[in-house]
Amino acid sequence: DVKVTQSSRYLVKRTGEKVFLECVQDMDHENMFWYRQDPGLGLRLIYFSYDVKMKEKGDIPEGYSVSREKKERFSLILESASTNQTSMYLCASSTYVWGASNQPQHFGDGTRLSIL
Amino acid sequence: GQQVMQIPQYQHVQEGEDFTTYCNSSTTLSNIQWYKQRPGGHPVFLIQLVKSGEVKKQKRLTFQFGEAKKNSSLHITATQTTDVGTYFCAGHNAGGTSYGKLTFGQGTILTVHP
Repeated sequence: DVKVTQSSRYLVKRTGEKVFLECVQDMDHENMFWYRQDPGLGLRLIYFSYDVKMKEKGDIPEGYSVSREKKERFSLILESASTNQTSMYLCASSTYVWGASNQPQHFGDGTRLSIL
Repeated sequence: GQQVMQIPQYQHVQEGEDFTTYCNSSTTLSNIQWYKQRPGGHPVFLIQLVKSGEVKKQKRLTFQFGEAKKNSSLHITATQTTDVGTYFCAGHNAGGTSYGKLTFGQGTILTVHP
């Protein structure tokens, strides 16, 4: 079974801090994703990565950056945390199959981040 | 950019009643996926539809993909309390890259009264 592990379930940080959210998957998946989930807005894609050191902006990348130095690990960085970044953050991974349509995404349990 | 709209936002039903959630995309999709998120949990993949007009069933759940590949629906027959949760559709843009990027709908929160 695919396991996507997020480093923290709950996190409280202060405005202006640099915040790191870590995600590790154990299935050798090529694709990894960071979403934020807010009530009434669904899941919005922040960044995704399709290979080591490769990344693409999603729909709401402002205020965030990412790092993928190893295939199994995808980090989300809040450069200078602000209160409007208080949210649930979900990491996901999926494999890539040449010539096939999208593969299912497997999600971690999420990190509920509060910025005070 | 691509938008995926999902309605209704909330649905309250009595146990045994049917439930349907609808998903509409602003662009043609190459495929659509459906996920379920239980309260306090994370989204879990249910199914993927690829072909125009495709219909798939999973026990009491029926999934449809529109002929134009711009809309989809999930229908649950005779809901049970175990169906409680948020149902999301997620589409891949037909003209987009092939890196597994999905655009999620806002989700429909289903509550079932016993």
